[in-house]
Amino acid sequence: QKEVEQNSGPLSVPEGAIASLNCTYSDRGSQSFFWYRQYSGKSPELIMFIYSNGDKEDGRFTAQLNKASQYVSLLIRDSQPSDSATYLCAVASGDSNYQLIWGAGTKLIIKP
Amino acid sequence: GAGVSQTPSNKVTEKGKYVELRCDPISGHTALYWYRQSLGQGPEFLIYFQGTGAADDSGLPNDRFFAVRPEGSVSTLKIQRTERGDSAVYLCASSPGPAGNTEAFFGQGTRLTVV
Repeated sequence: QKEVEQNSGPLSVPEGAIASLNCTYSDRGSQSFFWYRQYSGKSPELIMFIYSNGDKEDGRFTAQLNKASQYVSLLIRDSQPSDSATYLCAVASGDSNYQLIWGAGTKLIIKP
Repeated sequence: GAGVSQTPSNKVTEKGKYVELRCDPISGHTALYWYRQSLGQGPEFLIYFQGTGAADDSGLPNDRFFAVRPEGSVSTLKIQRTERGDSAVYLCASSPGPAGNTEAFFGQGTRLTVV
């Protein structure tokens, strides 16, 4: 069974520090990887996606992908209280280009 | 509308009753997904539509669940003989293409409570 694993947290980070969120996946055929943010009681919204090994930066966010280790991470620099949310890792199934396999999410708390 | 719209936002029903949940996707989005999310879990895939047809309904838990998208736009998720275990937030998402290739936009969800 294809799985995506995340530490459920909560991960508590001081304001202004770097938050590091990690995700491992089992499907070696997966080619695209997504980080969604979900505020409490709200629906998920896309933060970043990454397809290639290495780093991808977008503002304060950096996604890192290592396909050999089946590992994807999200770094949030200069963390703000508004970053407090659950971060969901989603991995596209290697068998299809439409099926996303979701982790359970990591709850991030930014302490002022 | 500008985003994915789901109605109702909340639904409380008695065990054994029938419910319909509606999703109005972003105009022009051909791909539509239904997910179910329980507290502390990620979204659980239910069904994927590409246009009018259900391209993959392998996530539907049993034959009490059924979904349609007759004109390739609005979709309805139908649950017969509801059970308490069906209580969850039902999320609809749409995207301009398959979600593995592009961003999926989610509606605000329907919170279903079966009492």
